[in-house]
Amino acid sequence: DVKVTQSSRYLVKRTGEKVFLECVQDMDHENMFWYRQDPGLGLRLIYFSYDVKMKEKGDIPEGYSVSREKKERFSLILESASTNQTSMYLCASSPYPTGGGEKLFFGSGTQLSVL
Amino acid sequence: AQTVTQSQPEMSVQEAETVTLSCTYDTSESDYYLFWYKQPPSRQMILVIRQEAYKQQNATENRFSVNFQKAAKSFSLKISDSQLGDAAMYFCAYRAGGTSYGKLTFGQGTILTVHP
Repeated sequence: DVKVTQSSRYLVKRTGEKVFLECVQDMDHENMFWYRQDPGLGLRLIYFSYDVKMKEKGDIPEGYSVSREKKERFSLILESASTNQTSMYLCASSPYPTGGGEKLFFGSGTQLSVL
Repeated sequence: AQTVTQSQPEMSVQEAETVTLSCTYDTSESDYYLFWYKQPPSRQMILVIRQEAYKQQNATENRFSVNFQKAAKSFSLKISDSQLGDAAMYFCAYRAGGTSYGKLTFGQGTILTVHP
């Protein structure tokens, strides 16, 4: 089975701290994604990457950056954490699709609280 | 921009009964994909079913089926013979066609409770 592992299930940080959320997938997938999940808003795409060293902004990239130095690892960085970044963060990966309608494989999420 | 709306924040169903979760979307695209994802308490999102917009036939996966009304931009999920393990948050999602792989727009989610 495909496994997408997020380094922390729960994380508590202080305002202004630099925060790293790590995600690793073990199925050699080309595509990786970071979403945040908030009650009443569903999931929203922050950043994504279709290849190593490549990154593109999603719908809500402000306040975030990403790094993909290796194919299996995709890191989300909060340069200076703020309270409005308190949220559930979900990482996902997918193979290069064949025939469209690709399937995303999600990690179990990191619940981040910024105090 | 595309939007996806789930107007039912919560739904409940008796075990073995049938329940339908609603989803509407707005898009000007003709080529797109629609998905239903399930998020159990473990928080790991699981793909339940997907539908290609160009296919007129409604997708089915065992006890899960969709009612895809393209003109009405409606995409509801029917769960038949509901089981306790179906209890979860369900998200409807949209993806434009072309090369927008994995770039999904999600609805707000519907919490489904299954009563024994």
